[in-house]
Amino acid sequence: NAGVTQTPKFRVLKTGQSMTLLCAQDMNHEYMYWYRQDPGMGLRLIHYSVGEGTTAKGEVPDGYNVSRLKKQNFLLGLESAAPSQTSVYFCASRDSGLAEAFFGQGTRLTVV
Amino acid sequence: AQSVTQLGSHVSVSEGALVLLRCNYSSSVPPYLFWYVQYPNQGLQLLLKYTSAATLVKGINGFEAEFKKSETSFHLTKPSAHMSDAAEYFCAVSDHPSGTYKYIFGTGTRLKVLA
Repeated sequence: NAGVTQTPKFRVLKTGQSMTLLCAQDMNHEYMYWYRQDPGMGLRLIHYSVGEGTTAKGEVPDGYNVSRLKKQNFLLGLESAAPSQTSVYFCASRDSGLAEAFFGQGTRLTVV
Repeated sequence: AQSVTQLGSHVSVSEGALVLLRCNYSSSVPPYLFWYVQYPNQGLQLLLKYTSAATLVKGINGFEAEFKKSETSFHLTKPSAHMSDAAEYFCAVSDHPSGTYKYIFGTGTRLKVLA
């Protein structure tokens, strides 16, 4: 039972490069979330989705874009990476009938 | 808007001592509240949740939390700390699933257990 899977697990980017982080869940959950985790700041919500084809901004959306073309996948894009985007990124999913979210193992991104 | 405040970014306790991690929330609607634990280089694991049923909630690994509406608090406790409890703990709040669907976290408390 895979749950929530994030790829890649590690990545180093140069400033100005672009990349896409993939989150895949096999639990048929309606809601999906992208967070970034930085020391002393907890997890901050970047974007989220309440269903296929829908997305919404969270607390820190600037510099990121997302898409949810398929229910099981939620993509997070960085069009022009900046050192300030160095962070650990977590994806989570949640069923509409359940209260709690389930998390992936994280992606550690370094922008140099 | 919802928010969560965790008092104390670092807490140290002796093995066998009481663990108390504090969480206060703000929500304009009845909240759902959660505690998660994160071990080094891992994702987040749910410890327990409050969803408007019993105000005293029991979770895994001997942890429990009490929802106090009058104090807008949801503090996490464990009677006797174990070395394996050393980790970072996050409190989170969400409104009812019919609300905004956001899931907001506090800044975390790192628990250190001393031998």
